[in-house]
Amino acid sequence: IVLTQSPGTLSLSPGERATLSCRASQSVSSSFLAWYQQKAGQAPRLLIYGTSSRATGIPDRFSGSGSGTDFTLTISRLEPEDFAVYYCQQYGNSVTFGGGTKVEIK
Amino acid sequence: QVQLVQSGSELKKPGASVKVSCKASGYPFTNYAINWVRQAPGQGLEWMGWISTNTGNPTYAQGFTGRLVFSVDTSVSTAYLEISSLKAEDTAVYFCARDIGMGPTSAFQHWGQGTLVTVSS
Repeated sequence: IVLTQSPGTLSLSPGERATLSCRASQSVSSSFLAWYQQKAGQAPRLLIYGTSSRATGIPDRFSGSGSGTDFTLTISRLEPEDFAVYYCQQYGNSVTFGGGTKVEIK
Repeated sequence: QVQLVQSGSELKKPGASVKVSCKASGYPFTNYAINWVRQAPGQGLEWMGWISTNTGNPTYAQGFTGRLVFSVDTSVSTAYLEISSLKAEDTAVYFCARDIGMGPTSAFQHWGQGTLVTVSS
């Protein structure tokens, strides 16, 4: 399954809402879709699994939604520490990652 | 707390081999698989495959067969990634990761800090 993330780069200001898209080339089984945040020089951090469940310790400004082939990560109000690269991952049919969306400060 | 601690950076010549270790602590090692993920410089994440820490059985992702060997040593709660016949394009950060507890290749809750392998003559 190929995952296509858009946009490639999102330029926003702190306090704004971020909407990131992840589209799959075929339906993702049982909504086995996760989202990760990665900052430069660090390992990825799991944010969302099972499409909409927040991982331990993840603030509620992060939310996930979607089904089938279209999934969305929403950050309701961007905090300074949220500027990073975000990846989606499907794990219903082997494992694949999307190409990433960079959220940068405008 | 769960920790995955990887070995340090490596500089290797083309044609050589490298072995990266991932030492787990804070949970029963054989209860969870270890996955391996590659990230080339400035690029995204690529899943390389996983190994059952219980049976030692590896599963390699498409495109990652031939020069890769996953192994485990349960006596020291450590998983290993060995790459042979290194090429310049193997230059990357290699991460080990443990799943969230919903199957060996489910979402990855815990990650090692990454090991940079540089292949250069």
